Amino acid sequence: GAGVSQSPRYKVAKRGQDVALRCDPISGHVSLFWYQQALGQGPEFLTYFQNEAQLDKSGLPSDRFFAERPEGSVSTLKIQRTQQEDSAVYLCASSFRMNTEAFFGQGTRLTVV
Amino acid sequence: GNSVTQMEGPVTLSEEAFLTINCTYTATGYPSLFWYVQYPGEGLQLLLKATKADDKGSNKGFEATYRKETTSFHLEKGSVQVSDSAVYFCALSEGSGNTGKLIFGQGTTLQVKP
Repeated sequence: GAGVSQSPRYKVAKRGQDVALRCDPISGHVSLFWYQQALGQGPEFLTYFQNEAQLDKSGLPSDRFFAERPEGSVSTLKIQRTQQEDSAVYLCASSFRMNTEAFFGQGTRLTVV
Repeated sequence: GNSVTQMEGPVTLSEEAFLTINCTYTATGYPSLFWYVQYPGEGLQLLLKATKADDKGSNKGFEATYRKETTSFHLEKGSVQVSDSAVYFCALSEGSGNTGKLIFGQGTTLQVKP
């Protein structure tokens, strides 16, 4: 596709449920980022991939959060045993290479009830 | 650690008014600075950027100047339109060699009335 695609756009999960959020980056983009955006706040960095290698996961808030990009293209952010504080919009961004413009997807809005 | 602070919103202006959204930053080294815009129902889009001190970024009538002495990157537009209504985010990326990881401010909502 022409841009970064995220699915689902909306997800409602019961507390304790596991969720998986998908990101399809722009074809050929080497770098991929995940951000978490709480209501009324700016996005906060979660993790970064260069191809299939996860080079920075310093922003992941707990060990319940896990991200992968096994073939260096599509990425999945998994949240285990969701909690109410996990409710946020999860944004994915990709860039052609390090330090070039990042293009953002529309995000997945996760609501934990 | 590095951080970005934006003026609180919402900012409400009449069409053709002058816009300023303040942004200041704290960073070690020499960050690149960005303004992103989020229109209703859309993803974040890069509006403009500046990569070194005294650089001016500009796009769509918006501009911002990288001021190292005041650690600021204020966004300005001379005459806003209704279509400029959106949320604006100031952000920084640490200097060269960094991955491009962004640190964002909390966002400022702009509402322009006809």
